[in-house]
Amino acid sequence: NAGVTQTPKFQVLKTGQSMTLQCAQDMNHNSMYWYRQDPGMGLRLIYYSASEGTTDKGEVPNGYNVSRLNKREFSLRLESAAPSQTSVYFCASGREVENTGELFFGEGSRLTVL
Amino acid sequence: GENVEQHPSTLSVQEGDSAVIKCTYSDSASNYFPWYKQELGKRPQLIIDIRSNVGEKKDQRIAVTLNKTAKHFSLHITETQPEDSAVYFCAASNPGNQFYFGTGTSLTVIP
Repeated sequence: NAGVTQTPKFQVLKTGQSMTLQCAQDMNHNSMYWYRQDPGMGLRLIYYSASEGTTDKGEVPNGYNVSRLNKREFSLRLESAAPSQTSVYFCASGREVENTGELFFGEGSRLTVL
Repeated sequence: GENVEQHPSTLSVQEGDSAVIKCTYSDSASNYFPWYKQELGKRPQLIIDIRSNVGEKKDQRIAVTLNKTAKHFSLHITETQPEDSAVYFCAASNPGNQFYFGTGTSLTVIP
C-alpha cells in the first residue's frame, strides 16, 4: 500500500517548456487534489477532482491543466512553464468521512523553472 | 471562496512550555478543520482534526478548539519537545471537500 505517489520528485525546466506531473493513489479515494507550496504562502489549491471524470479550479489555476485519467490517477500539466511556477507541488487524495474528508499527501515534486 | 488566516507565522518556545497557534476562516459552510505538521523536506501529515459539531478535541499533548460563532479554531501543544519543531498548517474544508490552508506557523522548540 504505497498511498499517494508522485513523479518526478525533481525537475528543472526552461521557460516555455512543458511537462506533466503524475500522481496516483491506491486507497480507492474519490477526491484528488493538486497544491503548490511556496515560502510564506502555505499550500494553495490549484485544481481538484471530486470524482473520476470531474475537475474544478482552485485558488491558483492559471497556467495549469489537469486530467483525471481514472479513479487512481490525477495529472497536472504545465503547457508553457514560467519562472513564477517554480514551487513544490503536492498531490493529495481525500478519504470521505462523515460528509467531510481527510487528505493524504504525496511526497512532493520540486520544480524549478529557469 | 474560503479564506483561512493563521497566526503567528513563527513561534519559539522553551522545551516543556505550551504553544498555541490560531486560525480564522471566512466561509460559514466549512465543517471540517484539520491540522497538519510538516517537517523539513517532508510531506504534510495530519496530526489532529475537528468537525463543526464538536467544540474541543484532545489527543495526548495536542488539543484543538473550535468556535463556530467567531469562525476561529486553535491548536494547543502542551509540554513541548524538540521533535515538535516543524511547520504547522491549519485548514478548513467545506461539504464539497475543498480544502483551504493557512500560511503556516514555523514552531521551534528550544531545548
